[in-house]
Amino acid sequence: AQTVTQSQPEMSVQEAETVTLSCTYDTSESNYYLFWYKQPPSRQMILVIRQEAYKQQNATENRFSVNFQKAAKSFSLKISDSQLGDTAMYFCAFGLNTGFQKLVFGTGTRLLVSP
Amino acid sequence: EAGVAQSPRYKIIEKRQSVAFWCNPISGHATLYWYQQILGQGPKLLIQFQNNGVVDDSQLPKDRFSAERLKGVDSTLKIQPAKLEDSAVYLCASSAQGGETQYFGPGTRLLVL
Repeated sequence: AQTVTQSQPEMSVQEAETVTLSCTYDTSESNYYLFWYKQPPSRQMILVIRQEAYKQQNATENRFSVNFQKAAKSFSLKISDSQLGDTAMYFCAFGLNTGFQKLVFGTGTRLLVSP
Repeated sequence: EAGVAQSPRYKIIEKRQSVAFWCNPISGHATLYWYQQILGQGPKLLIQFQNNGVVDDSQLPKDRFSAERLKGVDSTLKIQPAKLEDSAVYLCASSAQGGETQYFGPGTRLLVL
């Protein structure tokens, strides 16, 4: 069974600064995807970024980038130029590339961006 | 493109009562998921449909929870009878056939008193 661990329950950052959220996972599979989802107080889960395990290049989406270390089973999210609207819960998730994949989520990191 | 729709957004019931949640996935998405998110935790899969067939319901408490996806489009999740520990947010998500990305609805917050 796959597990996902987020060891930082809460993080704080000031506007315009950079913050990194950590995620580690455990699996014996080699073909999978990793995701970061954002959940603001409205509760809607919004996809931030995804990474295919077979790709060595780290995914980037505007201010969001990941550091994917497959051997270490680590998948951290870096948010550059933090904005007030980035305040939310951030969940790391794992999904097998089977076509019928369910997501296994971590417990989340609460990020607070302050002025 | 319309997103995943869910209703109701909030529901308060007393224990031992019944409740039902509705989900309409993104048009054309073959796979539909129901997740339970207890406060302070990440979502946990309850049941997964591929079209109108069940792919995974291993974590669904079948003595009280049931779900259906008639005609392979919208879906209903029912709890009967509800327990206090069922208080949670119920999230519906959908993905295209073979697609790796799941898109989530706004969720239904259930409070059981």
